Amino acid sequence: EDQVTQSPEALRLQEGESSSLNCSYTVSGLRGLFWYRQDPGKGPEFLFTLYSAGEEKEKERLKATLTKKESFLHITAPKPEDSATYLCAVQEKGGSYIPTFGRGTSLIVHP
Amino acid sequence: KAGVTQTPRYLIKTRGQQVTLSCSPISGHRSVSWYQQTPGQGLQFLFEYFSETQRNKGNFPGRFSGRQFSNSRSEMNVSTLELGDSALYLCATRVATNEKLFFGSGTQLSVL
Repeated sequence: EDQVTQSPEALRLQEGESSSLNCSYTVSGLRGLFWYRQDPGKGPEFLFTLYSAGEEKEKERLKATLTKKESFLHITAPKPEDSATYLCAVQEKGGSYIPTFGRGTSLIVHP
Repeated sequence: KAGVTQTPRYLIKTRGQQVTLSCSPISGHRSVSWYQQTPGQGLQFLFEYFSETQRNKGNFPGRFSGRQFSNSRSEMNVSTLELGDSALYLCATRVATNEKLFFGSGTQLSVL
């Protein structure tokens, strides 16, 4: 069973159409949850770290939230340049600092 | 500040050959991790080096190995290449006590 599951696998939006990406996790204790953005042909780029339930972080049109079982990445009024794959990763308490990644959500925003 | 540099960007090899990939971390980052990324499996952790010592290892066969030099640069080697080794190999670095990872652009390896 995957520790980190992201949904949907792919998402197509029209410019300005807000939506949310989901990351559910099954670790016994969460040290931290990370969101990364990956553009084609490039490595992932860090977006946010969340540490405890109820925490929220924002950056431009993106807002990440965290509960005890999942995290959401809300995209408000997306633009075509927001098109990318969004990856979620979790670090488990008591373990190494090595994060476990989900398989990502591929987002395409049409103009 | 220069980012994480990986070379080469593309490699084409045949089954049975071996390959060496290189990663130069951001200045001051002593931790270097390697990941394999494929469409089917996503990002899979290979190993992490810190101060020239392997600190963590993922679930990959012994054909995958690495090392880190005193200047923190790291190399990854894959011997006896198999078709299934075709993937994007990513290097990620971080400051020792900072959990955020900085990734390079990767080496796209194709095994024919």
